[in-house]
Amino acid sequence: NAGVTQTPKFQVLKTGQSMTLQCAQDMNHEYMSWYRQDPGMGLRLIHYSVGAGITDQGEVPNGYNVSRSTTEDFPLRLLSAAPSQTSVYFCASSRPGTSGRGIRFIEQFFGPGTRLTVL
Amino acid sequence: EDQVTQSPEALRLQEGESSSLNCSYTVSGLRGLFWYRQDPGKGPEFLFTLYSAGEEKEKERLKATLTKKESFLHITAPKPEDSATYLCAVHPDSNYQLIWGAGTKLIIKP
Repeated sequence: NAGVTQTPKFQVLKTGQSMTLQCAQDMNHEYMSWYRQDPGMGLRLIHYSVGAGITDQGEVPNGYNVSRSTTEDFPLRLLSAAPSQTSVYFCASSRPGTSGRGIRFIEQFFGPGTRLTVL
Repeated sequence: EDQVTQSPEALRLQEGESSSLNCSYTVSGLRGLFWYRQDPGKGPEFLFTLYSAGEEKEKERLKATLTKKESFLHITAPKPEDSATYLCAVHPDSNYQLIWGAGTKLIIKP
């Protein structure tokens, strides 16, 4: 099992450029999420998906788009890059939480991250 | 407002010197609290889930405990390979999204 893979590892963009961060998992997990991690702050949820064809916004969705056409893949698109989007991006996957506890995101498996710099 | 605060920001210990990391939270209700470990340049790695006050979980030199206001990650006789940033996340009643702390960077000197 490769687990959760992300490409690229590093990327430099100019303001206004667009790009797609790739994420794939081979654990047949229904849930997938995108986070950004900035210095001195906790992880922040950008978008998430509870299954193929279903996506929803997280805490900081502006400037990002997602789609989920297969269980395995969950790409994140930056529409028009801005310096404020300079960050490290992590993709994560998990099984659904047990309905009895009402928890959606249980043990999550994270990818290695993509370090993005926007000039 | 739901909030998670981890302290200290950084902790330097000698090998074998036991200590604790703190995760304090202010939420309307708690569905679960999670601990993760993050090595430099890598994604977080799951350690524990705690659901209710009084609960404890152990894994090798690590033990996580939970009260109604905070969680502690106790590390006993740490080794240099325990050096990492430890992240805490809370699942509140009010929201399906996790609230993450900024982490504690733990450095264990040989």
